[in-house]
Amino acid sequence: GEDVEQSLFLSVREGDSSVINCTYTDSSSTYLYWYKQEPGAGLQLLTYIFSNMDMKQDQRLTVLLNKKDKHLSLRIADTQTGDSAIYFCAESYGGATNKLIFGTGTLLAVQP
Amino acid sequence: NAGVTQTPKFQVLKTGQSMTLQCAQDMNHEYMSWYRQDPGMGLRLIHYSVGAGITDQGEVPNGYNVSRSTTEDFPLRLLSAAPSQTSVYFCASHRAQANYGYTFGSGTRLTVV
Repeated sequence: GEDVEQSLFLSVREGDSSVINCTYTDSSSTYLYWYKQEPGAGLQLLTYIFSNMDMKQDQRLTVLLNKKDKHLSLRIADTQTGDSAIYFCAESYGGATNKLIFGTGTLLAVQP
Repeated sequence: NAGVTQTPKFQVLKTGQSMTLQCAQDMNHEYMSWYRQDPGMGLRLIHYSVGAGITDQGEVPNGYNVSRSTTEDFPLRLLSAAPSQTSVYFCASHRAQANYGYTFGSGTRLTVV
């Protein structure tokens, strides 16, 4: 079955780059996503990448996709304390219904 | 634009009680879903709906019922609450086009004692 895996915790210093990794299993996924969850809140879409792309950049965010290894990463440049949150990767499955399967989430702690 | 609204934000139930978690969206999205979030397990899909009158089971549907009588509303019913249903519940809505992503509500924290 589908499974999306992430490391549980990452700690970085303010100003450094953060790299959050994700592995997925469904090679037919059309889109892969990164969501951010701040304490006590719902998930918010950060960015997504189409499966025929290798990289997508959006301001401080860079998404890298290695389809051969089914590996997705999110790099946050110049990490700020406001970036402290849980980050979820997700892959789409289910064809037209666009169901998502989420990873376990990575807690990013940014130290001042 | 309110997005996805969930009520209540917090609830404590006794084992065996029933209740309904409310979810409403004002974006005219076709699809709506319910997830539960548990530590170390990410989000797991409970039920989803592809339009008014159409629902289907997700990964963990047991103990929950849903209905979708209107495009806007997608309530989740717990028939007989159990401690294993202690969790944070999120409702989400989205369009058919995958690149728009999901819009999530702020969640309902449910404790069953």
